[in-house]
Amino acid sequence: AQSVTQPDIHITVSEGASLELRCNYSYGATPYLFWYVQSPGQGLQLLLKYFSGDTLVQGIKGFEAEFKRSQSSFNLRKPSVHWSDAAEYFCAVGITGGGNKLTFGTGTQLKVEL
Amino acid sequence: DAMVIQNPRYQVTQFGKPVTLSCSQTLNHNVMYWYQQKSSQAPKLLFHYYDKDFNNEADTPDNFQSRRPNTSFCFLDIRSPGLGDAAMYLCATSSVAGGQYFGPGTRLTVT
Repeated sequence: AQSVTQPDIHITVSEGASLELRCNYSYGATPYLFWYVQSPGQGLQLLLKYFSGDTLVQGIKGFEAEFKRSQSSFNLRKPSVHWSDAAEYFCAVGITGGGNKLTFGTGTQLKVEL
Repeated sequence: DAMVIQNPRYQVTQFGKPVTLSCSQTLNHNVMYWYQQKSSQAPKLLFHYYDKDFNNEADTPDNFQSRRPNTSFCFLDIRSPGLGDAAMYLCATSSVAGGQYFGPGTRLTVT
């Protein structure tokens, strides 16, 4: 069965600093990988996705993620964090085939200090 | 803009009183999902529809039911809400090969 690990439950960064959120997955086949962001009381917004091809994926809001098959990782990065980036971030792996079911990690809560 | 809409955004119901949450989409996606999310937890899939085919997760309580009368709409029925069912309920859609797109959620309170 597939699984996703987000080792950092909470991360605090200063505004303007760089950010990297870690995600490791376990899946027997080629994974579909996603990063979502959730602001308090809101639904999840898709930041970016990896299906195949270029391993460096660009997303919305200046985020990018790099797929590293050898490390089973899909870390999310942003070169300069804004206060509005404070939110919860979820990494997910998709099951190929009918249904596109997602398995989510437990999330990383990002706090941005001004 | 194409989107996923959930109504109501906030729902208060009494213990044991049936409640229905609704979801609509303008994305014309053939797959629709219902998730339950409790505080500080990841979303938990309850069930999904692939077109009209209903797929229930093995650990979804019988208390939760769903209906999808057409491509655009999907409903979540909670037959006898308990205090433990208080949560955010998220609807999502996807095309066959795409990522999932979520609505804003309905916050359910059980009194």
